[in-house]
Amino acid sequence: DAGVIQSPRHEVTEMGQEVTLRCKPISGHNSLFWYRQTMMRGLELLIYFNNNVPIDDSGMPEDRFSAKMPNASFSTLKIQPSEPRDSAVYFCASSIRDSGNTIYFGEGSWLTVV
Amino acid sequence: DAKTTQPPSMDCAEGRAANLPCNHSTISGNEYVYWYRQIHSQGPQYIIHGLKNNETNEMASLIITEDRKSSTLILPHATLRDTAVYYCIVRVARSGSARQLTFGSGTQLTVLP
Repeated sequence: DAGVIQSPRHEVTEMGQEVTLRCKPISGHNSLFWYRQTMMRGLELLIYFNNNVPIDDSGMPEDRFSAKMPNASFSTLKIQPSEPRDSAVYFCASSIRDSGNTIYFGEGSWLTVV
Repeated sequence: DAKTTQPPSMDCAEGRAANLPCNHSTISGNEYVYWYRQIHSQGPQYIIHGLKNNETNEMASLIITEDRKSSTLILPHATLRDTAVYYCIVRVARSGSARQLTFGSGTQLTVLP
């Protein structure tokens, strides 16, 4: 299996621009997670989905952030408008509802907002 | 999910066993102990998990004390590529419901040549 696939791997954008990060979970996995990592705050959960339905979005920082999962094989995290403080690494992860619920992470999208 | 305490950093000589401790004194009966690691610039990588019995896989061994209030991750023959931040996480792993992982600060393991 190819693992969790994220794109873009790196993005530099200007403040005020819209940013869309994409994620393809592992085939057959029915839970998907978006995390953000910064030096100051470490790894933080933003939102997660079960069977394409958002379950907990309490970690989404503000209305500028939105996430969708239109089908089982694709999710997006959108920031509009972007701000310099959104600069971080954004990780997507997926899991399957087996007894272990092990979560597998992608390689991350490195976002810099200037 | 129960809170965990890990030392911020540890060193280990290449080829020797690396023993990473974790305290989880408030762990509940249905909570598992998970270990992940994050190599610089990469996504977190699953290592191993267990409930109360010791576990071993191709990457590591997990030793959980009888009272389940602490555990140790053992990398039997550490290599330079094992240099990473290691996270100990306590989490319910109930089948039929997904639960997120809550990451703490972890232990920075540095394997020295």
